[in-house]
Amino acid sequence: NAGVTQTPKFQVLKTGQSMTLQCAQDMNHEYMSWYRQDPGMGLRLIHYSVGAGITDQGEVPNGYNVSRSTTEDFPLRLLSAAPSQTSVYFCASSSDRAHGYTFGSGTRLTVV
Amino acid sequence: AQSVTQLGSHVSVSEGALVLLRCNYSSSVPPYLFWYVQYPNQGLQLLLKYTSAATLVKGINGFEAEFKKSETSFHLTKPSAHMSDAAEYFCAVSPGTASKLTFGTGTRLQVTL
Repeated sequence: NAGVTQTPKFQVLKTGQSMTLQCAQDMNHEYMSWYRQDPGMGLRLIHYSVGAGITDQGEVPNGYNVSRSTTEDFPLRLLSAAPSQTSVYFCASSSDRAHGYTFGSGTRLTVV
Repeated sequence: AQSVTQLGSHVSVSEGALVLLRCNYSSSVPPYLFWYVQYPNQGLQLLLKYTSAATLVKGINGFEAEFKKSETSFHLTKPSAHMSDAAEYFCAVSPGTASKLTFGTGTRLQVTL
């Protein structure tokens, strides 16, 4: 059972480049979320989804897009990378709000 | 809107001493509350959760937390710290009808000999 898989683990981008962070879960979870983690700021919600075809914005959505075409996958797209998007990104999934979320191991992104 | 405040960004305890990590929450509806632990260069792991059943919740690795509605608190404790407990700990709240999880800014626990 792989849980939540994030790829890549590390990425360096140049300002203005675009890329997609991949997230896949094999637990048939309906809820999925993307967070970014910055020192001293905890984890902040970027976008979340309550099921295939349904997404919504979180606390810091600007500069990011998501889609949820299947239950398993929830990719995060950076449209035009900026140095302010340098961060560690975590994807998480849950079957039920009461069970809490299962987190992936993260993607460390550096924008130069 | 919900929010979480974790008092103390760094806490240092001696091995064998009591661990107390503080968390206060704000929620307009009855919340679900969680504590997560993050070891260096890893993702977050669920320690324990409160979901409106027993107010004293026991989790993994000997940790427990008590939900106190009157104090809007959910402090994390462990009677005796171990070196392996050194990590960053996050408190999180999910309001009664939403699927979003809001995190505190984290507390880094250092355990010394």
